[in-house]
Amino acid sequence: QVQLVESGGGVVQPGRSLRLSCAASGFTFGDYGMHWVRQAPGKGLEWVAVIWYDASKKDYADSVKGRFTISRDNSKNTVYLQMNGLRADDTAVFYCARAMVTALGAFDIWGQGTMVTVSP
Amino acid sequence: QLVLTQSPSASASLGASVKITCSLSSGHITYAIAWHQQQPDKGPRYLMKINSDGSHSKGDGIPDRFSGSSSGADRYLTISSLQSEDEADYYCQTWGTGMGVVFGGGTKVTVL
Repeated sequence: QVQLVESGGGVVQPGRSLRLSCAASGFTFGDYGMHWVRQAPGKGLEWVAVIWYDASKKDYADSVKGRFTISRDNSKNTVYLQMNGLRADDTAVFYCARAMVTALGAFDIWGQGTMVTVSP
Repeated sequence: QLVLTQSPSASASLGASVKITCSLSSGHITYAIAWHQQQPDKGPRYLMKINSDGSHSKGDGIPDRFSGSSSGADRYLTISSLQSEDEADYYCQTWGTGMGVVFGGGTKVTVL
């Protein structure tokens, strides 16, 4: 079935790096824009980044620009989020989501999330 | 600036209806939005996309009790015949070229 499965979360010290992965199955991955969204404990959803279906373009929220990098490997049906210079306020559950179109659009498929905790 | 505004909370009795609102910022009132449900301790789930003309397309398996509509800058989600499992946070989402993706602050629906 159509599914997104995130992995790579964990506990990391401030200033360190972490790479998240999101494996897709059940659909033609290369036809869709992919996004990362995060949710800090007790807070709402915050959009993080998008990568176009063919990786031709990327965009980021101001809060992560210059620190996070989104990428994808369409041969592996996987999207990644490289997070550098992590800060305490990056602590959140990170979700990957599929847009209904090639880049920006409604998110119709969500993963189950992976927790990232930034703590000394 | 593209902004979505939601009331923080709404409530209704079991079996009744509740209508929650998502308001688009000035200058963006023709934008489509999507509604997502997040039950306690779960990830979000896509409910539907609503266009400015009120037409909407629901996700797979979303019950008929969930419906959407539109008026001016406002996009609505109506839940009829409220069930206990409808108690959740509901987020609206929109998007725009050069503006990325924006979420509303969420509405917590309580079933009395």
